[in-house]
Amino acid sequence: DVKVTQSSRYLVKRTGEKVFLECVQDMDHENMFWYRQDPGLGLRLIYFSYDVKMKEKGDIPEGYSVSREKKERFSLILESASTNQTSMYLCASSYLSGANVLTFGAGSRLTVL
Amino acid sequence: GDSVTQMEGPVTLSEEAFLTINCTYTATGYPSLFWYVQYPGEGLQLLLKATKADDKGSNKGFEATYRKETTSFHLEKGSVQVSDSAVYFCALRLNAGNNRKLIWGLGTSLGVNP
Repeated sequence: DVKVTQSSRYLVKRTGEKVFLECVQDMDHENMFWYRQDPGLGLRLIYFSYDVKMKEKGDIPEGYSVSREKKERFSLILESASTNQTSMYLCASSYLSGANVLTFGAGSRLTVL
Repeated sequence: GDSVTQMEGPVTLSEEAFLTINCTYTATGYPSLFWYVQYPGEGLQLLLKATKADDKGSNKGFEATYRKETTSFHLEKGSVQVSDSAVYFCALRLNAGNNRKLIWGLGTSLGVNP
């Protein structure tokens, strides 16, 4: 069964901590995405990557960075976590061409105190 | 700019009721349209899609028809079940330029009572 795996389902961090959210996919997808999901705001794209070591800013990149050293792994980094980054984070992947259907992970719920 | 508008929720129905969740869009050209579903505690998964005008996507008893004249892609199901309780997202992908990104609606929460 193909899938996207997010390393942590629930995290609690303190303001100012550095936070890593890891995502791994086993479908050989070129594209990978990080979204955050907040009530009333839907899904907002933070960053995406279409190839190893390539990244592009999404709609809300401020306060975040990403790393893609291997095709299957896409990491989201919060350099100094703040309370307004408390959210559900969703990773997704897709092929570069074709229907571009996204496969999502189960999500990582981050609470910053 | 390009956008997707969904009816606001939450929507609450009784089992076996008819479901419609409205979705309209604004986009240049001829986008592809999608419905994704998010069950409680899970990530999103594709429910159905349509890539050109008048196409009908269908899956699990749900249907949606790509209507270019009304720029709509309404989701329907004839008889909902308790297991259909979830959040439903309408989305579009522009088929020109940077087509790696989807444009999302805000989601509609559906609750089905037995």
